[in-house]
Amino acid sequence: LAKTTQPISMDSYEGQEVNITCSHNNIATNDYITWYQQFPSQGPRFIIQGYKTKVTNEVASLFIPADRKSSTLSLPRVSLSDTAVYYCLVGDAGVSGNTPLVFGKGTRLSVIA
Amino acid sequence: GAGVSQSPSNKVTEKGKDVELRCDPISGHTALYWYRQSLGQGLEFLIYFQGNSAPDKSGLPSDRFSAERTGGSVSTLTIQRTQQEDSAVYLCASSAQARNEQFFGPGTRLTVL
Repeated sequence: LAKTTQPISMDSYEGQEVNITCSHNNIATNDYITWYQQFPSQGPRFIIQGYKTKVTNEVASLFIPADRKSSTLSLPRVSLSDTAVYYCLVGDAGVSGNTPLVFGKGTRLSVIA
Repeated sequence: GAGVSQSPSNKVTEKGKDVELRCDPISGHTALYWYRQSLGQGLEFLIYFQGNSAPDKSGLPSDRFSAERTGGSVSTLTIQRTQQEDSAVYLCASSAQARNEQFFGPGTRLTVL
């Protein structure tokens, strides 16, 4: 499984754009990059998934450079309700074998009014 | 439709007792995951079931932990001779296929006295 490294915590003010970068230097050809969000006392919730370049949905954008050794989750104009832990996962998730995506420690984002 | 459900929501037990935690995945989901999360920590992968394949047990912390999935649906995580360090929230997730979005249940909070 590709190891991921992301900041332990980040702070931001409301209304700002937040970018959380995840490093995954040994990402494999079949690996996808997936981000989850977890609020206190809840299970994680899927945010976005990508393989290369840029993916955008109603919640966030995911930027993946050509070498795919890192990825950046971008949250536009955060609000207090975006305070949560954000997890970056990398893996083929069973495409070739039966290897599941596994979660690391995540990045704890605190949004301040 | 119904999401992933887990029971019980809370379990308090005495050290040395056995416990069983239940997970009902979303109907039709072939992949099922068990994780545990200690207070303030990230998710720790325990075990993964995918269809009829042999489960990936690589995350089980000791032989006191076991899990089964009957009929490709309901799963039970069993912890024998519980220890205080087993106290955590145990989360179950399912996905339509291994690569797809994981949907999490509300978790079972286990407290070992």
